[in-house]
Amino acid sequence: GQQVMQIPQYQHVQEGEDFTTYCNSSTTLSNIQWYKQRPGGHPVFLIQLVKSGEVKKQKRLTFQFGEAKKNSSLHITATQTTDVGTYFCAGPRGTYKYIFGTGTRLKVLA
Amino acid sequence: DAGVIQSPRHEVTEMGQEVTLRCKPISGHDYLFWYRQTMMRGLELLIYFNNNVPIDDSGMPEDRFSAKMPNASFSTLKIQPSEPRDSAVYFCASRPSTGVGEQYFGPGTRLTVT
Repeated sequence: GQQVMQIPQYQHVQEGEDFTTYCNSSTTLSNIQWYKQRPGGHPVFLIQLVKSGEVKKQKRLTFQFGEAKKNSSLHITATQTTDVGTYFCAGPRGTYKYIFGTGTRLKVLA
Repeated sequence: DAGVIQSPRHEVTEMGQEVTLRCKPISGHDYLFWYRQTMMRGLELLIYFNNNVPIDDSGMPEDRFSAKMPNASFSTLKIQPSEPRDSAVYFCASRPSTGVGEQYFGPGTRLTVT
């Protein structure tokens, strides 16, 4: 069945360093969503990408959808301690059902 | 809006006991999802409803799990009998039928079965 893998599983960075997490699907996706989960919290929606090659920015966060619509990335510039958490991508299986990736846990060292 | 509400926030029970988790979705949202999160298996979709009707329960692990949505503002996930391997955080999420497709998650219920 459809799988959504993310790498790396964990990432520790010094505050101010950049961070990137990659999401790869075994099948072509109609869209991809990204969520952030703070430690002890719940997933919170960040963004949805739909178009092949699409790039969207939210302040220090840059999201990209691959040309083949099978991969995506999230890049954070100059990380801050508030960026700590686990970042998930999610790909649709059908119209309303989403399969969540394995997640990348980010720790930011002050 | 208060967001998605889940209760209880924490539940500790003994193996063999029945556990009922509760969820109140955001008013006006047509879709409700139940997820389970563990370190080993990540975030798994168990079941989802549309307009109170179960649409896909293929993620429900076994017959010990059941979910209901008697009305638009309430859903339950029941485990009977519970087992230690059911220990996890259970999230409820809801979304409207229109819009981007963003799911709004509740705070979760942390279940520990001893």
